Amino acid sequence: QQQVKQSPQSLIVQKGGIPIINCAYENTAFDYFPWYQQFPGKGPALLIAIRPDVSEKKEGRFTISFNKSAKQFSLHIMDSQPGDSATYFCAASNSLNYGGATNKLIFGTGTLLAVQP
Amino acid sequence: KAGVTQTPRYLIKTRGQQVTLSCSPISGHRSVSWYQQTPGQGLQFLFEYFSETQRNKGNFPGRFSGRQFSNSRSEMNVSTLELGDSALYLCASSLGPSTMNTEAFFGQGTRLTVV
Repeated sequence: QQQVKQSPQSLIVQKGGIPIINCAYENTAFDYFPWYQQFPGKGPALLIAIRPDVSEKKEGRFTISFNKSAKQFSLHIMDSQPGDSATYFCAASNSLNYGGATNKLIFGTGTLLAVQP
Repeated sequence: KAGVTQTPRYLIKTRGQQVTLSCSPISGHRSVSWYQQTPGQGLQFLFEYFSETQRNKGNFPGRFSGRQFSNSRSEMNVSTLELGDSALYLCASSLGPSTMNTEAFFGQGTRLTVV
């Protein structure tokens, strides 16, 4: 119930393409869903985050789509660039259950994205 | 504004030894959390501190411990190192009372190799 399942494990797209990364969760107590981007040798950096009261959120070329009934959320990268090549992690937590069992940021297993020029 | 600083960046230790890793959060941030990152297990939550108090703990053995000081700097300690402890250890900090519900800023990590 604490898992966040992420797919695909790796993804190759051409420059300008729209890679889509999907995540699914079981625990309905989760209410905070961030996406992180990690470059080799660096720590993860927050890209964009969504809460269940909205179905979509855009920040620049990055869009999160959220389907509460299906317990799924996905990241779309519009007009992808070679500089977007990185590992992407989805995550989920029960943000208000301070110190509780579900108040831990549970990460997906990551998607290695390669954007070819 | 300086980011999250983790020291050292790289560390090689022998099985059975102990190690202490340090994390200096962004100035003004009071929440610090620690993660272990490995290729097989991904990012696993270790613990979170706020105002010198441990708020939450992940599913790691008691060999893993941590603390936070009054200036919000945090340390984690691993005793009796095992080969499987080889990993990238990441620290994250946030402005609010928890790194779990708001933007958390990660450091570059400490790469620990146990031989």
